[in-house]
Amino acid sequence: QVQLQESGPGLVKPSETLSLTCTVSGGSISSYYWSWIRQPAGKGLEWIGRIYTSGSTNYNPSLKSRVTMSVDTSKNQFSLKLSSVTAADTAVYYCARLQQQPYVYYFDYWGQGTLVTVSS
Amino acid sequence: SSELTQDPAVSVALGQTVRITCQGDSLRSYYASWYQQKPGQAPVLVIYGKNNRPSGIPDRFSGSSSGNTASLTITGAQAEDEADYYCNSRDSSGNHRVVFGGGTKLTVL
Repeated sequence: QVQLQESGPGLVKPSETLSLTCTVSGGSISSYYWSWIRQPAGKGLEWIGRIYTSGSTNYNPSLKSRVTMSVDTSKNQFSLKLSSVTAADTAVYYCARLQQQPYVYYFDYWGQGTLVTVSS
Repeated sequence: SSELTQDPAVSVALGQTVRITCQGDSLRSYYASWYQQKPGQAPVLVIYGKNNRPSGIPDRFSGSSSGNTASLTITGAQAEDEADYYCNSRDSSGNHRVVFGGGTKLTVL
């Protein structure tokens, strides 16, 4: 059974960079797409971006200028960096495996989520 | 458009059937997938593609699609089905973006 676990600081100061890592266990990270998704308290889900194990990325246009994703296949991990954060970036951040099939994209495995608060 | 629209809230009597809908232009080209999220928990995939259920999801959950609207149907709703439900699909603009609906709060009466 594939499991994902987010890790990283729970508190980030405004204007600084949010950094999170997702560790995949129970299966290989290779040959899949992986995504970050966030959810502000009481609000809906927002897709941040995806990365393939080759390092190829696609980002949400609304966040593209501030987002960088990377992957380390030797550690079975992928990471998120979000720069110049503000209070609006306070949210629960989830990592998830993205399945891409003809005519359908879906997330079949999710991490438990980690709350990141942006505050001085 | 790259947006998906869901009704904010829906209610259903225990044991009855409820349909939760998701509308958007991308659904004319791509199937929706559906997620159940209970308070304090991560979303769980319940339906993907034309009408596929992951292992462990009860068969009272089903999916369908027509035109720009996808639907999640729960036949014989149970108390434990009370949750938020989100749809998602691939954006149809060609840039591999993923879009989510705003979510529907399902109350089982």
